[in-house]
Amino acid sequence: EIVMTQSPATLSVSPGERATLSCRANQSVSSKLAWYQQKPGQAPRLLIFGASTRASGIPARFSGSGSGTEFTLTIGSLQSEDFAVYYCQQYNNWPPRALTFGGGTKVEIK
Amino acid sequence: EVQLVESGGGLVQPGGSLRLSCAASGFTFSNYWMSWVRQAPGKGLEWVANIKQDGSEKYYVDSVEGRFTISRDNAKNSLHLQMNSLRAEDTAVYYCARESGSYDYWGQGTLVTVSS
Repeated sequence: EIVMTQSPATLSVSPGERATLSCRANQSVSSKLAWYQQKPGQAPRLLIFGASTRASGIPARFSGSGSGTEFTLTIGSLQSEDFAVYYCQQYNNWPPRALTFGGGTKVEIK
Repeated sequence: EVQLVESGGGLVQPGGSLRLSCAASGFTFSNYWMSWVRQAPGKGLEWVANIKQDGSEKYYVDSVEGRFTISRDNAKNSLHLQMNSLRAEDTAVYYCARESGSYDYWGQGTLVTVSS
């Protein structure tokens, strides 16, 4: 089973600053990695797929990088609407299954 | 516009059953794998089950294998999750999601509470 580990669990950032979130896999997932944003009471929203491709409508301040086992989500200049929980998810063995998520990183206002 | 709308959640006693549904619109439903993903209160996301475009392949997380059944009706653009022998640890918001490897569209979720 592929296990995804996100760090830190909580990230305190001031508006306008850059945020860097990490996601690590216990084995290679190639570039089959996605990032999601979730705000309280809402469904997750796809931000990045293929490790670095922004989904439709996602602002350019969101960028993803990495391959293999180490991945990073960078938010270039935090806006008020960016404070949320972020999840990574691997889909290296899809289809059919084994779509595993990381535990999440909460980005909070400093 | 792609829309996924879940229904069927509610309060059920341990050992009980519930059937969730997801109505899909705005895309060719029969072209996509579909999933159920859940989120326990205050916790992270957990994939529960998925189903191939024609329903010929179905997969489950170990914790629900033998208790939950995923199905779909491509003629009605609908996805279902039959949940039997429910346990307290199944309490969660259940989302249906369209798979493209990643989950590019999600429903708003339906809350399932298992409690006596």
